[in-house]
Amino acid sequence: SAVISQKPSRDICQRGTSLTIQCQVDSQVTMMFWYRQQPGQSLTLIATANQGSEATYESGFVIDKFPISRPNLTFSTLTVSNMSPEDSSIYLCSLRTGTYEQYFGPGTRLTVT
Amino acid sequence: TQLLEQSPQFLSIQEGENLTVYCNSSSVFSSLQWYRQEPGEGPVLLVTVVTGGEVKKLKRLTFQFGDARKDSSLHITAAQPGDTGLYLCAGAEDSSYKLIFGSGTRLLVRP
Repeated sequence: SAVISQKPSRDICQRGTSLTIQCQVDSQVTMMFWYRQQPGQSLTLIATANQGSEATYESGFVIDKFPISRPNLTFSTLTVSNMSPEDSSIYLCSLRTGTYEQYFGPGTRLTVT
Repeated sequence: TQLLEQSPQFLSIQEGENLTVYCNSSSVFSSLQWYRQEPGEGPVLLVTVVTGGEVKKLKRLTFQFGDARKDSSLHITAAQPGDTGLYLCAGAEDSSYKLIFGSGTRLLVRP
């Protein structure tokens, strides 16, 4: 499986500011995903990020709030914009290898005050 | 949208006991994955099952995919404190690459 790293691992941010989360993979992958995990909850897919095309967002998530970049096959960023306390969550990047297997980074724990 | 229901939501057991976690849906999945997540970490893939009726074993963990590919179970034999964590099932829709995650089962194994 690929090695996935995320930066920052955690952050505390003020309401109204923005945070960009980086995801780095040690091998080239076509499909990368961003998930949100609210406190005590399961995972919810925010968007799919494919290199060379616009990210595809799931219902309830919009590009203005969660802009995503995917400049190459090993890197992606997710920005959480104009944050509110409701954005306090763990944000996870993920990638798919082969036909079925999907792997996750360690997550970024965001607290908005 | 397909939904995956997991049961139980919480489970607290004594070391050495056996347990089973269930993952159910009314829809068919092309594959189903089980993950374990520990506090402060991302989910770690335990197993992928793709064939109806398939059974896979990983040491003390036994995973089964239902014949109709709508449900799955995870059985742990002689649970240990190291098994403590959040167990998540996730299914891939037939026509999509996207994973749908279950609601999760939080397991605590007491020494």
